Amino acid sequence: DTGVSQNPRHKITKRGQNVTFRCDPISEHNRLYWYRQTLGQGPEFLTYFQNEAQLEKSRLLSDRFSAERPKGSFSTLEIQRTEQGDSAMYLCASSSTGANEKLFFGSGTQLSVL
Amino acid sequence: AQKVTQAQTEISVVEKEDVTLDCVYETRDTTYYLFWYKQPPSGELVFLIRRNSFDEQNEISGRYSWNFQKSTSSFNFTITASQVVDSAVYFCALRDYSGAGSYQLTFGKGTKLSVIP
Repeated sequence: DTGVSQNPRHKITKRGQNVTFRCDPISEHNRLYWYRQTLGQGPEFLTYFQNEAQLEKSRLLSDRFSAERPKGSFSTLEIQRTEQGDSAMYLCASSSTGANEKLFFGSGTQLSVL
Repeated sequence: AQKVTQAQTEISVVEKEDVTLDCVYETRDTTYYLFWYKQPPSGELVFLIRRNSFDEQNEISGRYSWNFQKSTSSFNFTITASQVVDSAVYFCALRDYSGAGSYQLTFGKGTKLSVIP
């Protein structure tokens, strides 16, 4: 069990640029989640995949945000035309199917938009 | 709408003291799940417990215990004989059981616990 891996750990970008983050979940987990966390706040749900299907999206996920999980393994989260308000920690989590629902989180990608 | 309130923003205790972290939730659903997560300085959220709304039995795991009271919509977390390694931000979270498969967790703002040696 290598845990949930997120890359990069830190990303600094200029306003208006596009950024892409990657998440590699625990290999046997078929569920994958993206959350966003700003300083002093709890994580906020963005989206959820079961295998390759994106089953749930938050209202927070504007049309500048897109997430994919093409083969039901790794996932990418892209933000187009970044804004300063997008600055946050982006967290990925995965879990297996079943009643336990124990989410394993990665260490996150810290995005700073200048 | 769901809401989780953790009124304590920061708590400091001296090592070996007991400490209780409060969590109050709001939901219209009769069936739901409650969680506690720990976020140490490294940033990775660590699952601590999941509790179903229909199971009000309190749970103890080592130095950790949880008190779930449906009547007051509270799910409090107690650490007994605190240690420096307990220093972290602790989050309470809620998920309803929509039956349609919503897996969205609603988190509180967290309580930062500092255990002083």
